[in-house]
Amino acid sequence: SQQGEEDPQALSIQEGENATMNCSYKTSINNLQWYRQNSGRGLVHLILIRSNEREKHSGRLRVTLDTSKKSSSLLITASRAADTASYFCATDKRVIIQGAQKLVFGQGTRLTINP
Amino acid sequence: DSGVTQTPKHLITATGQRVTLRCSPRSGDLSVYWYQQSLDQGLQFLIQYYNGEERAKGNILERFSAQQFPDLHSELNLSSLELGDSALYFCASSLSELRAYNEQFFGPGTRLTVL
Repeated sequence: SQQGEEDPQALSIQEGENATMNCSYKTSINNLQWYRQNSGRGLVHLILIRSNEREKHSGRLRVTLDTSKKSSSLLITASRAADTASYFCATDKRVIIQGAQKLVFGQGTRLTINP
Repeated sequence: DSGVTQTPKHLITATGQRVTLRCSPRSGDLSVYWYQQSLDQGLQFLIQYYNGEERAKGNILERFSAQQFPDLHSELNLSSLELGDSALYFCASSLSELRAYNEQFFGPGTRLTVL
């Protein structure tokens, strides 16, 4: 079963507007990552936020993390047509074996930017 | 281009058959991860190998197995295939285990269709 749940499942906005996607998860985590996937292609890592961080920026991306609510949000500012893709949050659960990493992905938000 | 390569891109086979998917990680990456993406299950972690050894296991069926070779490439073997195994199979790689977290770089995927 999925650890993360993205909200909304689909989002359609006009070019230039801001897009906000939310992710909720269930168990304690090491970090939370956001990935983008263009239709039928591989995932591209966007940004990672550690469990002791509350906010992180990368270009037009802003990620927040609230560990007390077990939730994160991804904000894309000044959206462009090229931002059209599916966006996934992935949580990295604490594991006992050093080096083991089990990313658990949410179901994703399908973002459409209309020109 | 993430630097992770996967072959073949597409695979069409019949139920009951066995297939092998191949992955070459980025140069220098020691960890390889396998994921399955299907419409009903979403993106699921299957297994991780680090420097030839199994490091973490996810929702991998007993009919599936993987290995990582001395040259660090990995193969995912799927046997006794069922219609429900039709999915996109992704390989990802990351740096050494010494970091507390690792960004994963995804390959383009292999689309498996079981008829």
